[in-house]
Amino acid sequence: EVQLVESGGDFVQPGGSLRLSCVASGFNLNTYWMNWVRQAPGKGLEWVANIKQDGSEKYYVDSVKGRFTTSRDNAKRSVYLQMNNLGVEDTAVYYCASEDHQDWGQGTLVTVSS
Amino acid sequence: QSVLTQPPSVSAAPGQKVTISCSGSSSNIGNHYVSWYQHLPGTAPKLLIYENDKRPSGIPDRFSGSKSGTSATLGITGLQTGDEGDYYCGAWDRSLTVYVFGTGTEVTVL
Repeated sequence: EVQLVESGGDFVQPGGSLRLSCVASGFNLNTYWMNWVRQAPGKGLEWVANIKQDGSEKYYVDSVKGRFTTSRDNAKRSVYLQMNNLGVEDTAVYYCASEDHQDWGQGTLVTVSS
Repeated sequence: QSVLTQPPSVSAAPGQKVTISCSGSSSNIGNHYVSWYQHLPGTAPKLLIYENDKRPSGIPDRFSGSKSGTSATLGITGLQTGDEGDYYCGAWDRSLTVYVFGTGTEVTVL
């Protein structure tokens, strides 16, 4: 059974940083692109970033470029989202999702507030 | 602001059918596969349809997808109260080099 488990969400002040983790099990992580998707309170789904199997290609939505970085460690079956210079607009539930968004984690809540 | 436009809401009685449209452009729907997602309150999003009209294992055939040009449609037949929630289309956008979700449609069972 495929499982994705996110962690790292927290309450942080504007300008702060967080690192989200997503641990995968039940499939070979190193054969799939991985995605990060978020949902702000009362808003729709927003795709944030993705990363190629070997980490050699990454794409980001404009609103996080230069502030967020995704990475992966296939040996640890993990994908990461480093979030710097956080703003209140980054408050959301963050999900990791497999290639083609077939499988999703349960999400982790990031709250940015002063 | 999403580049994929959906109606804000649709509704129908139990057992009836609803359709949800998703309008895009040649840079996304027109040249890439469309997926559809169900997002029920308090749960993770679920993939309902991929590659325009294919259902993942375990998704009932009450859910169907189609695509024509730069638009796509999700159909739900035999509507059930458990279908109430938000539905999103999604596709890669080659111009923006991002994946885009639709604006979302709330399904209500009357």
